[in-house]
Amino acid sequence: SQKIEQNSEALNIQEGKTATLTCNYTNYSPAYLQWYRQDPGRGPVFLLLIRENEKEKRKERLKVTFDTTLKQSLFHITASQPADSATYLCALGEDSNYQLIWGAGTKLIIKP
Amino acid sequence: ETGVTQSPTHLIKTRGQQVTLRCSSQSGHNTVSWYQQALGQGPQFIFQYYREEENGRGNFPPRFSGLQFPNYSSELNVNALELDDSALYLCASSLGLAGDYEQYFGPGTRLTVT
Repeated sequence: SQKIEQNSEALNIQEGKTATLTCNYTNYSPAYLQWYRQDPGRGPVFLLLIRENEKEKRKERLKVTFDTTLKQSLFHITASQPADSATYLCALGEDSNYQLIWGAGTKLIIKP
Repeated sequence: ETGVTQSPTHLIKTRGQQVTLRCSSQSGHNTVSWYQQALGQGPQFIFQYYREEENGRGNFPPRFSGLQFPNYSSELNVNALELDDSALYLCASSLGLAGDYEQYFGPGTRLTVT
C-alpha cells in the first residue's frame, strides 16, 4: 500500500543544535517533495520544494535532501531556535496527477 | 501572511445539514486546492480548481463540491453533514497545479458537526 511516514513522536532538540526530520515514502514515484511548517490553529506555511533530479536544496538555515533510492527526504534546521518549534509536514507530488499527498507531520520542540 | 483568507473561522453544524465555506485566494493565483485536516493528521486533498474547472479530486464523496470564481474566490460545499466531517478545512492557492508550485494556505475554517 502507499504511505508517507514522518516521525509521530515529538522531536526535542537543544537550542543551537541541528534538528533533522525524516519523511519516508512507499509505493509512490514523486516528482516533487515539499516541506511546510504548521503552527497550532494555523494553515501550513511553505518552506522548501525539491525536485526528483535535485539532491539538495538550501534556504538560510534550512536544508532538504531527496534520495529517490532510499525513498526518503531529510529536512535539517541548523542553529535551531525556540521559534522553530512547530509541526513540520512533508508533501509529495507525482507527475501522474496534481494533488499533493501529505505526511502526518513531526512536532519539533526546541528547548532553550 | 499569505494573503489567503477564509471564512468563517469557526462553524458548528448539526448532522444532516449543509455548509458553505469560503476562500479568497491571492491575486493572480489561478489554482485553488481544498484540504481537510483532522487533528494530529496531515491535510487530505479534497479537490483542486484551475481556471474555474475542477482539475483533480481526492477520495471524497460527491457531497463535497466546490466552485471557483473569476475574482479569485472559491467555495467548498458539503451536503448531508456527518460527524466525521468535523475537521479543519484549509484552502490553498498557487500559481499553477499543485505538485510543482508552493501552496499559500489560509488560516482554515474549524467545522464541528454535532
